[in-house]
Amino acid sequence: DAKTTQPTSMDCAEGRAANLPCNHSTISGNEYVYWYRQIHSQGPQYIIHGLKNNETNEMASLIITEDRKSSTLILPHATLRDTAVSYCIVRVVARNTGNQFYFGTGTSLTVIP
Amino acid sequence: GAGVSQSPSNKVTEKGKDVELRCDPISGHTALYWYRQSLGQGLEFLIYFQGNSAPDKSGLPSDRFSAERTGGSVSTLTIQRTQQEDSAVYLCASSFSTQNYGYTFGSGTRLTVV
Repeated sequence: DAKTTQPTSMDCAEGRAANLPCNHSTISGNEYVYWYRQIHSQGPQYIIHGLKNNETNEMASLIITEDRKSSTLILPHATLRDTAVSYCIVRVVARNTGNQFYFGTGTSLTVIP
Repeated sequence: GAGVSQSPSNKVTEKGKDVELRCDPISGHTALYWYRQSLGQGLEFLIYFQGNSAPDKSGLPSDRFSAERTGGSVSTLTIQRTQQEDSAVYLCASSFSTQNYGYTFGSGTRLTVV
């Protein structure tokens, strides 16, 4: 059970903002939303995470709706290096056992020159 | 080291043989995860270790798969009597235990069963 749904693929023009949506309608109040991306043949890399508030770091911004049932990852100025599969995942509160990270199928973002 | 280290980076084995995959997590990270990624697919959770607690093995696909973590650090994933469907990239990740930290992945071990 991935607990998230994302579009399979998206295109974005180089230099434009890439907005990647994610639905997590069954998210619980204590579950964080994380975004990772994976460039071909490499391990996934952390992008950003959040619980309720919008977040911004040097890589991206994360916009979480007030009901927390969906979020959007924003890459403000997409570059060719942003061509990757981006995963939206829900992280259950850490416990001694039973902690799972639910990866969806991800969105394959292609940045077009 | 600075990152999560996995070895070997590539492994080709004959069907029916056993294989061991190794993961060295980031020093101080108490949580360790194994995932599997088949060609063109998303990440499939396998197993999770947290400190000295019993591991969460709920993602292991069969009893041919097992994992251990010695001394709360290095972990070994063992696949017995490998099958062709076991061919995949096996990814290890580690993190601090608290909710507010993401986790860091290694580069993975590409396993090919011929």
